[in-house]
Amino acid sequence: NAGVTQTPKFQVLKTGQSMTLQCAQDMNHEYMSWYRQDPGMGLRLIHYSVGAGITDQGEVPNGYNVSRSTTEDFPLRLLSAAPSQTSVYFCASSRTPTASQPQHFGDGTRLSIL
Amino acid sequence: GDSVTQMEGPVTLSEEAFLTINCTYTATGYPSLFWYVQYPGEGLQLLLKATKADDKGSNKGFEATYRKETTSFHLEKGSVQVSDSAVYFCALSDWAGNNRKLIWGLGTSLAVNP
Repeated sequence: NAGVTQTPKFQVLKTGQSMTLQCAQDMNHEYMSWYRQDPGMGLRLIHYSVGAGITDQGEVPNGYNVSRSTTEDFPLRLLSAAPSQTSVYFCASSRTPTASQPQHFGDGTRLSIL
Repeated sequence: GDSVTQMEGPVTLSEEAFLTINCTYTATGYPSLFWYVQYPGEGLQLLLKATKADDKGSNKGFEATYRKETTSFHLEKGSVQVSDSAVYFCALSDWAGNNRKLIWGLGTSLAVNP
């Protein structure tokens, strides 16, 4: 049972480059989300999706795009990388958006922007 | 608005010591409360949860009780092990309009020495 799978695990980019962080879950979860984790700032929500074809912005959406064409996949696109986007990115999913449902996290993508 | 405050770390304990990590919250509704644990280099994992007042969540020797009167959800363990060294996050989940909101504490780092 793979759960939530994120690729790549590590990535170094140059300022201005674009890339896509991949996230896939095999649990048929409706709700998926992307967070960034920075020292002293905890987890901050970037974008989320309550189902295929439905996405919305979180707390820090600028510079990122998402799409949800299937239930399983929720890629995060960096349009033009900036050093401020150096962070650890986590994808998470839950069975439904219900408040009592816990989230299942991937192992993260560690991204450095030079 | 809703918020979560957890005690700052790092917390350093000797093996078999008693652990308490404080978490207090503010919420306008009736949230669900969670503790997640993050081991080095990994994503967050659900440790325990409680969905209504006076519920006690428990897992792996950890416990936390949802106290509405003191708006608290303190994490406790009677005898910690070296393997419990990790970062612990308190989180609140509630509804805002017709969307779920998830509020995270900043995390408390725990180091257990043999």
